Amino acid sequence: DIQMTQSPSSLSASVGDRVTITCRASQDINNYLVWFQQKPGKAPKSLIYGASSLQSGVPSKFSGSGSGTDFTLTISSLQPEDFATYYCQQYKTYPITFGQGTRLEIK
Amino acid sequence: EVQLVESGGGLVQPGGSLRLSCAASGFTFSDHYMDWVRQAPGKGLEWVGRTRNKANSYTTEYAASVKGRFTISRDDSKNSLYLQMNNLKTEDTAVYYCARVGVVAGNYYFDYWGQGALVTVSS
Repeated sequence: DIQMTQSPSSLSASVGDRVTITCRASQDINNYLVWFQQKPGKAPKSLIYGASSLQSGVPSKFSGSGSGTDFTLTISSLQPEDFATYYCQQYKTYPITFGQGTRLEIK
Repeated sequence: EVQLVESGGGLVQPGGSLRLSCAASGFTFSDHYMDWVRQAPGKGLEWVGRTRNKANSYTTEYAASVKGRFTISRDDSKNSLYLQMNNLKTEDTAVYYCARVGVVAGNYYFDYWGQGALVTVSS
């Protein structure tokens, strides 16, 4: 199975900050990576697919990059609604696997 | 508007069975692969399995943790996805989400999710 490792596991930031979350795959997944945002008690919401393509309706403050094994999600100009947990997920091979999540908290 | 609505969750004893349903609307259900993903309380996301569409013979894939115990099926005439769960274990306790697989330029990814159904396995 492909292991997905996110860092950091948690992150404190202030409104207006720019933050970066990283995701590392245990083997090459090309660009078959998606980033999700999840708020407490809610379903995940896709933000970025194909490592860098913005999902329809998602604001451009979210951006993704990377290929192969190393990926990043960057969120610019943090707003209160952005504080949530973020997950990466690979869909190169079965089983589909997720990172453990990064909890973004208000400082 | 794409909508996915799960139902059928509840409390079941270890060794018991439960069937979840996911009612889809707002898109051509028969065109899409559909998956189940679960999330244990306070934990991360775990993929459960997939059913492909008719064009791909409705073939399925499962996570090792559920293979042989869970069965994913679909009824395109009812725009519905199902998860039959047998021989349930306490570690199957989770919120179960159905998710639509969208396809864009060769990327097969979860583009829409339901709100989830809670399954609790406990004596």
